[in-house]
Amino acid sequence: AAGVIQSPRHLIKEKRETATLKCYPIPRHDTVYWYQQGPGQDPQFLISFYEKMQSDKGSIPDRFSAQQFSDYHSELNMSSLELGDSALYFCASSLGRGSYGYTFGSGTRLTVV
Amino acid sequence: AQTVTQSQPEMSVQEAETVTLSCTYDTSESDYYLFWYKQPPSRQMILVIRQEAYKQQNATENRFSVNFQKAAKSFSLKISDSQLGDAAMYFCAYRSTKAAGNKLTFGGGTRVLVKP
Repeated sequence: AAGVIQSPRHLIKEKRETATLKCYPIPRHDTVYWYQQGPGQDPQFLISFYEKMQSDKGSIPDRFSAQQFSDYHSELNMSSLELGDSALYFCASSLGRGSYGYTFGSGTRLTVV
Repeated sequence: AQTVTQSQPEMSVQEAETVTLSCTYDTSESDYYLFWYKQPPSRQMILVIRQEAYKQQNATENRFSVNFQKAAKSFSLKISDSQLGDAAMYFCAYRSTKAAGNKLTFGGGTRVLVKP
């Protein structure tokens, strides 16, 4: 079965650079969520989209932005990267409100040096 | 805002034995969903089991079962006949049915070690 695809799997950037993370949800899933998981931490909600509109916003820095495109894939854009942005970034998708749980991608590990 | 607490940072279990992970949450809502996710060393987040708050019957998925105590706001996970592949971080998560966006709020996680 198709899963949530995230790219790239690993990314190394220098401070103050920009990074773009991509997420391709399961076919027919219309909702996408982004989470950030720091080392030894639980995942923290960043932002979500339903039918290409932002549906909720969590602890996402102003330096980050995201959007969901017409094909339902989503991109997380991160600018002026800081060392503290080093983390595992998960994308998850669901059909509608996700009552049956979300399917997570394998994550993008971002390292800022 | 809802909070989820997992009081056990780490649990150790002998292969084939049973281990129970605790989870408590704080909410003023009456209808919500609760989940247990497993995160093995590969870091993939895998849904283990879900519970709907309006259902009194405890959810079961093969060797995994929950003890849902709504009044106590407790949602523990029991892993029976533990296998080496069960070794992972386990996260309890809460999802409101009312809040916009339907985000998951996670607990801090419990690391499960399985001894052969």
